[in-house]
Amino acid sequence: ETGVTQSPTHLIKTRGQQVTLRCSSQSGHNTVSWYQQPLGQGPQFIFQYYREEENGRGNFPPRFSGLQFPNYSSELNVNALELDDSALYLCASSLGRGPYNEQFFGPGTRLTVL
Amino acid sequence: KQEVTQIPAALSVPEGENLVLNCSFTDSAIYNLQWFRQDPGKGLTSLLLIQSSQREQTSGRLNASLDKSSGRSTLYIAASQPGDSATYLCAASNTGNQFYFGTGTSLTVIP
Repeated sequence: ETGVTQSPTHLIKTRGQQVTLRCSSQSGHNTVSWYQQPLGQGPQFIFQYYREEENGRGNFPPRFSGLQFPNYSSELNVNALELDDSALYLCASSLGRGPYNEQFFGPGTRLTVL
Repeated sequence: KQEVTQIPAALSVPEGENLVLNCSFTDSAIYNLQWFRQDPGKGLTSLLLIQSSQREQTSGRLNASLDKSSGRSTLYIAASQPGDSATYLCAASNTGNQFYFGTGTSLTVIP
């Protein structure tokens, strides 16, 4: 069974640029959630995708957008990067979209915005 | 909105000691509560998941309990080891398909 993978591991961007982060879900999982974890804080929910449709969104502006593909892998896109976007971005997959389902996390992508 | 709090923020114990980490949440209408471990700069490793109908879950030296009525969960670690040193996060799920996380307890086990 393959776990959740994310790429790249680290990324450095400058303010105003755009970035795309990628996530491959655990085998058999059809739901992907994205979280932002600033240094020293707990993860904060960005949004969730279930079968290629957005299925819930946290308190993040529209410049945070996403996609899910037919193989259930996912992308997180952030436009017009700001310094406060510097954080660890975590992807989690689960078997189903309901709140009952256990989430399995990837290793994260560390984004630094200069 | 669900608020999750973890106390203490940091804890240092000698090897071999039993310890308890605390997690409290404001909205008792949770579906489940999940405990995670996070090593510095790394992703989250799931430790235990407690469904709302359950009172506790056990895995090896770990035991997690859930009291929905009081809005509390505890993670008990028996016979702590230096390898247990990490940040421990709890997360509660409500409607809306998201988990609400606490800020974590940073645990150091001293050899």
